[in-house]
Amino acid sequence: DVKVTQSSRYLVKRTGEKVFLECVQDMDHENMFWYRQDPGLGLRLIYFSYDVKMKEKGDIPEGYSVSREKKERFSLILESASTNQTSMYLCASSRPGTVMNTEAFFGQGTRLTVV
Amino acid sequence: GQQVMQIPQYQHVQEGEDFTTYCNSSTTLSNIQWYKQRPGGHPVFLIQLVKSGEVKKQKRLTFQFGEAKKNSSLHITATQTTDVGTYFCAGLDNFNKFYFGSGTKLNVKP
Repeated sequence: DVKVTQSSRYLVKRTGEKVFLECVQDMDHENMFWYRQDPGLGLRLIYFSYDVKMKEKGDIPEGYSVSREKKERFSLILESASTNQTSMYLCASSRPGTVMNTEAFFGQGTRLTVV
Repeated sequence: GQQVMQIPQYQHVQEGEDFTTYCNSSTTLSNIQWYKQRPGGHPVFLIQLVKSGEVKKQKRLTFQFGEAKKNSSLHITATQTTDVGTYFCAGLDNFNKFYFGSGTKLNVKP
C-alpha cells in the first residue's frame, strides 16, 4: 500500500514563527503536492514538485515555500506564520502521466493553528 | 490556474434518496477523478475517467465524463449513511497538476 506520511497531525504555532511541515512517501512517486483545505473552498494547490529540486507554484503560493532535496520528501515552509494560514494542510503524491495510474495519494493532514 | 467548479456545496438527503454532484471545468481535461473524504479523514481516490462520454459504475455510484471533457457528474442511487462525506472531483491538466473542485458535502439522515 502507498503510504504518505505527514510529520504532525496537529500543530500550534505563534505568529511570525517559521514553520516546517514535512511529508514523506514510500512509493517512489515523482509528483508531490501541497494543498490547503478550508471550508467551502475545497483543496487549493500551494506548490507542486515533479522531480527532485523541481517546484512549481500552485494557485496560492504567497507566504509559502517548498523544498524537495530527496525524491521521497517534500517540505512546506511557512516563512513567517500568520493567522490567515490557520488551516488543514494536505500532502499528496502521484505518478506522472495523464491516463494511467495517476491517482493522488494523500497524507492524513496537518491541522495548523497560528495564534 | 485552471478552474474546476463543483455544485452543490452541501446536500442533505434522507437515507434511500438519490444524490448527484456536478463538476465543471473552464478548460478541457486530460482526465477527471473523483475522491471521497470521510469526516475527519483525508481524500481517498474513487475512480478515474479518461474518455469523452465515458460512464463507469461502482455498485450504487455512477460516474460520467462529458462529451467535451469539461464536465462530470457523480450519482449515488439510494444513499446510505455510509455515503456521508465530502465528494471532490479533480481535473488533471497536461502538466500533471490536479485541480480540485470545492467539494460537495453529503449528509444522509437515517
